[in-house]
Amino acid sequence: GAGVSQTPSNKVTEKGKYVELRCDPISGHTALYWYRQSLGQGPEFLIYFQGTGAADDSGLPNDRFFAVRPEGSVSTLKIQRTERGDSAVYLCASSSGLADEQFFGPGTRLTVL
Amino acid sequence: GEDVEQSLFLSVREGDSSVINCTYTDSSSTYLYWYKQEPGAGLQLLTYIFSNMDMKQDQRLTVLLNKKDKHLSLRIADTQTGDSAIYFCAAYNQAGTALIFGKGTTLSVSS
Repeated sequence: GAGVSQTPSNKVTEKGKYVELRCDPISGHTALYWYRQSLGQGPEFLIYFQGTGAADDSGLPNDRFFAVRPEGSVSTLKIQRTERGDSAVYLCASSSGLADEQFFGPGTRLTVL
Repeated sequence: GEDVEQSLFLSVREGDSSVINCTYTDSSSTYLYWYKQEPGAGLQLLTYIFSNMDMKQDQRLTVLLNKKDKHLSLRIADTQTGDSAIYFCAAYNQAGTALIFGKGTTLSVSS
């Protein structure tokens, strides 16, 4: 596609539920990143994929967060047992390779009630 | 690890120049970036500078890099109301696997 797309644009869930957030990167981009942006803050890194593998997952806050990219294109960020503190905008970005300029999607606003 | 700091607010009048400043701690990033975020929108890559350059000009935008002081600035000439947004500077971490962002500078332009 022309740019990075993310679905859904908004997700409201209840505490304790499971959610999946999807990212479709720019075609041909091998690198994919997830970030989380809380109100009044800059984006904070969660995980980086090079192809199908998670090359750096050091930003995942705990084991409730998991992400996959099974075919090296679309990625899904999965959050189990959601907590109110997980409420944020989740941003996905892609780049053509390691340490190249990143292009961001519009984000998914997650609200945990 | 990398840390990026920015001033939080800047208010200017339309037609004036705006200067947004940023400091960073790790100088290993090959490029340094400026992103713009408008209300409710995603991050838009505005411009970037190669770490071996001192200055880059792109139409109304001028990026200055002082590598010795680890200081980056973005100058917007003839600021317009459409420039009102949050501006983030960002640099890669040492491994090149993640962009580290500042908290963002909110630019408010009044007519």
